[in-house]
Amino acid sequence: AQSVTQLGSHVSVSEGALVLLRCNYSSSVPPYLFWYVQYPNQGLQLLLKYTTGATLVKGINGFEAEFKKSETSFHLTKPSAHMSDAAEYFCAVSFKAAGNKLTFGGGTRVLVKP
Amino acid sequence: EAQVTQNPRYLITVTGKKLTVTCSQNMNHEYMSWYRQDPGLGLRQIYYSMNVEVTDKGDVPEGYKVSRKEKRNFPLILESPSPNQTSLYFCASSLRLNTGELFFGEGSRLTVL
Repeated sequence: AQSVTQLGSHVSVSEGALVLLRCNYSSSVPPYLFWYVQYPNQGLQLLLKYTTGATLVKGINGFEAEFKKSETSFHLTKPSAHMSDAAEYFCAVSFKAAGNKLTFGGGTRVLVKP
Repeated sequence: EAQVTQNPRYLITVTGKKLTVTCSQNMNHEYMSWYRQDPGLGLRQIYYSMNVEVTDKGDVPEGYKVSRKEKRNFPLILESPSPNQTSLYFCASSLRLNTGELFFGEGSRLTVL
């Protein structure tokens, strides 16, 4: 069965510092990979996705993620954190063979310190 | 404005009292789904629907029912709520399942006493 693991349920970063959120998946077939963001009291919204092609994917708000097949990872980064980045971030994976059903990781809550 | 609308946003109820959480989307999406969000567990799928009159169980369907009589609506029914169904619920829709790009409602926080 497909699964996705996010390392660290909480991450604290200083404003202006690098944001790095880790995501690993388990699969023997090529996945589709997603990062979603959830701001307080809101639903999730798509940040970026990888399906095929270029392994470095750019999303909204300056975030990007790189698909590394050899490491089964899809880590999310942003060079310089902003206070507005405080939110919960979810990695998700789907597989064409499984009908493209989305499976979510446990989420990582980001706190940005002034 | 394209959106997924859930009601109610907040509800406190008692064990055994039937309730329905409504979900409506205005994007003519074929695929709709319900998730529950619990701390540390991420989002878990309850039920989903590929199109009108087509529904199927997700990962945690016990204690829930759904229906899809119209394309835009996908209500979640708790026939006899129990305290372990206290959670934050999200409805989501997508043009088709294979895009993986879900549009989420703002969530419905349910407390069962």
